[in-house]
Amino acid sequence: DAGITQSPRHKVTETGTPVTLRCHQTENHRYMYWYRQDPGHGLRLIHYSYGVKDTDKGEVSDGYSVSRSKTEDFLLTLESATSSQTSVYFCAIRATGTGNYEQYFGPGTRLTVT
Amino acid sequence: AQKVTQAQTEISVVEKEDVTLDCVYETRDTTYYLFWYKQPPSGELVFLIRRNSFDEQNEISGRYSWNFQKSTSSFNFTITASQVVDSAVYFCALSELFGNKLVFGAGTILRVKS
Repeated sequence: DAGITQSPRHKVTETGTPVTLRCHQTENHRYMYWYRQDPGHGLRLIHYSYGVKDTDKGEVSDGYSVSRSKTEDFLLTLESATSSQTSVYFCAIRATGTGNYEQYFGPGTRLTVT
Repeated sequence: AQKVTQAQTEISVVEKEDVTLDCVYETRDTTYYLFWYKQPPSGELVFLIRRNSFDEQNEISGRYSWNFQKSTSSFNFTITASQVVDSAVYFCALSELFGNKLVFGAGTILRVKS
């Protein structure tokens, strides 16, 4: 158990509304990630963070923004949700230190945009 | 750009059969990392193994074994004497040197029937 929680776990929202997903970790890991999972695509990286207020874009960052104001929380925001953003969103962490290259995932958030 | 191909969309086997899940990757990096993750029907992502590009030694863990061949850019996963509990989606993934930008294959659905 990597001590990762995601909230909410399920959400239904309407097109055009803003949505924020939260990832919370309890073990002070430096690196945090947001992915989306869609059939036929596996998981794709949206954004990641390498420290407080330090973030970078991933493969599918358009339409998403992130913030990390404290080590334990990494927020993913959809400024104006679209139906193409219906997906399962996973947060992940990676431990700092030599040899720590694997990522551990949270339970996921299922988002439906109607 | 990095790419991971899992050509087998779905595999069905009968319990106790051996099964091999294929993974082929593309990268221009000389140092990289390969991973396998399991996603059971409950939806969480479970880390199984990490392999460094400079270590081609095969690995065995119980009924699981992994065959890494740089010459063919493949990192295949074999389950010996499959069990119903092995039914899941299996993802192969690749990351660059710093372990941040994880690229996943589309996944292989494994169904083990009793």
